[in-house]
Amino acid sequence: EDKVVQSPLSLVVHEGDTVTLNCSYEVTNFRSLLWYKQEKKAPTFLFMLTSSGIEKKSGRLSSILDKKELFSILNITATQTGDSAIYLCAVEALDQGAQKLVFGQGTRLTINP
Amino acid sequence: DAGVTQSPTHLIKTRGQQVTLRCSPKSGHDTVSWYQQALGQGPQFIFQYYEEEERQRGNFPDRFSGHQFPNYSSELNVNALLLGDSALYLCASSLGGWWEDNTAYGYTFGSGTRLTVV
Repeated sequence: EDKVVQSPLSLVVHEGDTVTLNCSYEVTNFRSLLWYKQEKKAPTFLFMLTSSGIEKKSGRLSSILDKKELFSILNITATQTGDSAIYLCAVEALDQGAQKLVFGQGTRLTINP
Repeated sequence: DAGVTQSPTHLIKTRGQQVTLRCSPKSGHDTVSWYQQALGQGPQFIFQYYEEEERQRGNFPDRFSGHQFPNYSSELNVNALLLGDSALYLCASSLGGWWEDNTAYGYTFGSGTRLTVV
């Protein structure tokens, strides 16, 4: 069965700290790994990763994928209170000729001022 | 904004009742997937519709059914509601074919329908 595990499940840090969120997966027919930020309801897209070792960056956020060890990390530097959210890792898997997203449980990140 | 629209935003139902949730995909998207997100959990895949047919299904009972219309909008129906069906139901639209790895990739999620079963 396809599985995605995130750690930690919850993290509380002070504004300005750097955080690293982890995502490991066991999925057949891997296509891509995606990171989402969920503040209230709709998850919003952060990154899509398909190749190992290529870092993707967007401002203070960055992410990298290791397809050999089957994990990804999401880094946030100089955290701000607006970064407080649930961060979801999802793996896109091809199954029965169609693609689906398999999500982890999410990491709830709280940034204290 | 031509994003994904879901209705209603909130719903309270009694055990045993039936419910229908609706989703209008992002303009240009032809595929709709439904996810259930229980409190404190990640979204769980329910099923996906493409060309008005269920293309793939997750591990959900037959009480969960759906439909896609010619304009690509979709409905999720849940019969014989249980307390455990209380969750945020998310709809995500996408393109059914191939795409390139660019910032326009992907799945666009709606804001969801919060279903409470009492």
